Amino acid sequence: AQSVTQPDIHITVSEGASLELRCNYSYGATPYLFWYVQSPGQGLQLLLKYFSGDTLVQGIKGFEAEFKRSQSSFNLRKPSVHWSDAAEYFCAVDGNAGNMLTFGGGTRLMVKP
Amino acid sequence: DGGITQSPKYLFRKEGQNVTLSCEQNLNHDAMYWYRQDPGQGLRLIYYSQIVNDFQKGDIAEGYSVSREKKESFPLTVTSAQKNPTAFYLCASRRSGLADTGELFFGEGSRLTVL
Repeated sequence: AQSVTQPDIHITVSEGASLELRCNYSYGATPYLFWYVQSPGQGLQLLLKYFSGDTLVQGIKGFEAEFKRSQSSFNLRKPSVHWSDAAEYFCAVDGNAGNMLTFGGGTRLMVKP
Repeated sequence: DGGITQSPKYLFRKEGQNVTLSCEQNLNHDAMYWYRQDPGQGLRLIYYSQIVNDFQKGDIAEGYSVSREKKESFPLTVTSAQKNPTAFYLCASRRSGLADTGELFFGEGSRLTVL
């Protein structure tokens, strides 16, 4: 069965600092990988996704993520965080080619002025 | 604009009552999903449907029921058999077949509180 772990429940960074959110997955082959963002009381919005090819993928709002097969990781990064980035971030894996996305527990990002 | 509409946004229920959460989409997507969100647990799949008149149980289907009589609609009923129904419920849809990009499109959620 596929699973996703986000080791950090909360992260606080200063505005303008760099950010890395960790995501580790468990799946036998190369899965489809996603990062979503959720503002309080809202639904989720797709930031970026990896299917195949280049292991560094670019997303919206200046985010990027790198797929590392050897580490079973798909960490999300941003070089300079803005106050509006404060939200909850979810990593997800789809190993069944379309049926079910499995989500990690989420990482809540807080941004200090 | 196309999207997914969930209603109501907030709902209060007494113990022992069934409630139905509405989910409507005008994206012409075949697949629809219901997730439950609890703090620190991410999203857990309740039910999903890939086509009209067909649906499958997800990981936590006990105490819930769904129907898919129309492509646009996928209502979720939280029954009195659900032991801990207080949660945030999210509906999502997804393209199918060759048009599938893997992306789930989410509604804004419904928060259910049992009094």
